[in-house]
Amino acid sequence: NAGVTQTPKFQVLKTGQSMTLQCAQDMNHNSMYWYRQDPGMGLRLIYYSASEGTTDKGEVPNGYNVSRLNKREFSLRLESAAPSQTSVYFCASSAVTSYYSYEQYFGPGTRLTVT
Amino acid sequence: AQTVTQSQPEMSVQEAETVTLSCTYDTSESDYYLFWYKQPPSRQMILVIRQEAYKQQNATENRFSVNFQKAAKSFSLKISDSQLGDAAMYFCAYVGGGSQGNLIFGKGTKLSVKP
Repeated sequence: NAGVTQTPKFQVLKTGQSMTLQCAQDMNHNSMYWYRQDPGMGLRLIYYSASEGTTDKGEVPNGYNVSRLNKREFSLRLESAAPSQTSVYFCASSAVTSYYSYEQYFGPGTRLTVT
Repeated sequence: AQTVTQSQPEMSVQEAETVTLSCTYDTSESDYYLFWYKQPPSRQMILVIRQEAYKQQNATENRFSVNFQKAAKSFSLKISDSQLGDAAMYFCAYVGGGSQGNLIFGKGTKLSVKP
């Protein structure tokens, strides 16, 4: 019962470095999401993918790129990390149907620090 | 655009007592779903309870129940018989039916439970 998995759990980057956060789900969900969580801000949507091969911007997409590699995997890339991208990143997936009430399942999160 | 507001940044409750967390939302949609998520110190996002807007009956899950006031656009969470393990951040979230499933989160309420 893996659900949604994310790697890595922790990461420290220097300004200007790049990295990719990996996410995978085993629930056969069509939709996947990337959120960032900052203190006092709740979770904000970065990008989402409604189906394999499609991606769309969310509320805070600047500085990020995503790839929906296949139905299971959805990666988030920081091309040139900035201190403002220090945050906790969550991946989530959903069946996106009224039958399942649009419930989202979350991964354990990645704590990223950019110095 | 839809918004979710949690007006209580922090709340405190005595063990075994009852506490109510407030949430209001703004939307022009008629079909939507509301959620309460719990985030303990482990960082994992855990679904506590969901409410479909078309259902008049308030959702309940064991010690957790909601007071859904559709006309007032209010969705409060009541925790009965509070336990130490209930201490966490609680997030209210909204998703529109027929959307891509993007959750809109409130900023959260930090709940402390006193022994």
